[in-house]
Amino acid sequence: DSGVTQTPKHLITATGQRVTLRCSPRSGDLSVYWYQQSLDQGLQFLIQYYNGEERAKGNILERFSAQQFPDLHSELNLSSLELGDSALYFCASSATSVYNEQFFGPGTRLTVL
Amino acid sequence: EDKVVQSPLSLVVHEGDTVTLNCSYEVTNFRSLLWYKQEKKAPTFLFMLTSSGIEKKSGRLSSILDKKELFSILNITATQTGDSAVYLCAVDSNYQLIWGAGTKLIIKP
Repeated sequence: DSGVTQTPKHLITATGQRVTLRCSPRSGDLSVYWYQQSLDQGLQFLIQYYNGEERAKGNILERFSAQQFPDLHSELNLSSLELGDSALYFCASSATSVYNEQFFGPGTRLTVL
Repeated sequence: EDKVVQSPLSLVVHEGDTVTLNCSYEVTNFRSLLWYKQEKKAPTFLFMLTSSGIEKKSGRLSSILDKKELFSILNITATQTGDSAVYLCAVDSNYQLIWGAGTKLIIKP
């Protein structure tokens, strides 16, 4: 158990809908990262927050947005969902951004029908 | 453009064999290189390497970094079926992890 929690575990929704994925980092970790992993694909970095501020942006679609709250938990919002958004979404956390040893949550499996 | 390339993409060996997984990189501002193991769930951290030529070791797994030639290797000796997984390499460049596609390792009994 990495100490990173994600909810929900599974999510099934229809095209065009909007969902919110939630992540709580390990106690004391300030950085949160979001990744997308499609079937048999590598990890695609989406976005990073550090202590509430956006720190780095990867291949995140305009339909997706994220934020990190004062208690350091983070939410990833996915809107106007398409079939291709079906994937495993991982959250990871690290203590700081100095050395990037990240600990991953169990993931949220999103299925868009 | 920063990139991390892992080879081979897939590897099938028998239990007891030794395997070497490769990770080469081209990045603008290298800070560290990390290895992760991913089974049917979230990646779990194995090693972080920052200095060239210094081997990190954990049981049957070891890894070394060559910053001059821009690559790292992950060795697994006396493989077991529980080593079957995807092994991911990532490089921290400008505080952002650039991920390789992974090597899928299958250990046959």
